[in-house]
Amino acid sequence: ETGVTQSPTHLIKTRGQQVTLRCSSQSGHNTVSWYQQALGQGPQFIFQYYREEENGRGNFPPRFSGLQFPNYSSELNVNALELDDSALYLCASSSQGGKNTEAFFGQGTRLTVV
Amino acid sequence: DQQVKQNSPSLSVQEGRISILNCDYTNSMFDYFLWYKKYPAEGPTFLISISSIKDKNEDGRFTVFLNKSAKHLSLHIVPSQPGDSAVYFCAASEDSGYALNFGKGTSLLVTP
Repeated sequence: ETGVTQSPTHLIKTRGQQVTLRCSSQSGHNTVSWYQQALGQGPQFIFQYYREEENGRGNFPPRFSGLQFPNYSSELNVNALELDDSALYLCASSSQGGKNTEAFFGQGTRLTVV
Repeated sequence: DQQVKQNSPSLSVQEGRISILNCDYTNSMFDYFLWYKKYPAEGPTFLISISSIKDKNEDGRFTVFLNKSAKHLSLHIVPSQPGDSAVYFCAASEDSGYALNFGKGTSLLVTP
């Protein structure tokens, strides 16, 4: 059984650029959630995908968007990067639409915007 | 607006003693609670969870207690081991279940 994997592990982008982060969910999981963890903070929910549809969204602007593919892997896209977007981006997979089940996290992608 | 609060940024405990990590929440709609452990350069690892219909859940050395009237939960680790040294996050979700709300974490150090 493979766990949640994210790529790349580290990334440096310039303000105004666009970035795509990728996540492969754990085997048997059909739901993927994305979180942003700023330094010294807990992870903040960005959105969740279930059966290739957005299934809920946190307080993030529309320039944060995502996709889920038929194999349940997912992408997080961020347009018009801002300095405050610098953070650890975590992907979590779960089953049954994410309701009352534990989510398993990947190791994260460290994004630095300069 | 922080709906899940971990008011102790750090905790130091001797090996073999009990570690007690605390968490408070403000949203009465939360009905599922989880604890995650995080080592540096790794993602959070699920530790233990509890549903709002219970007041205690135990898994080996880890026990979570839930006091709904006080909107408080705690994680007890006994006996504590040096390998338990990590940042512990408390998380909660509403009935919809799709979003985990995390606290800021408590850094636990278990000394030999």
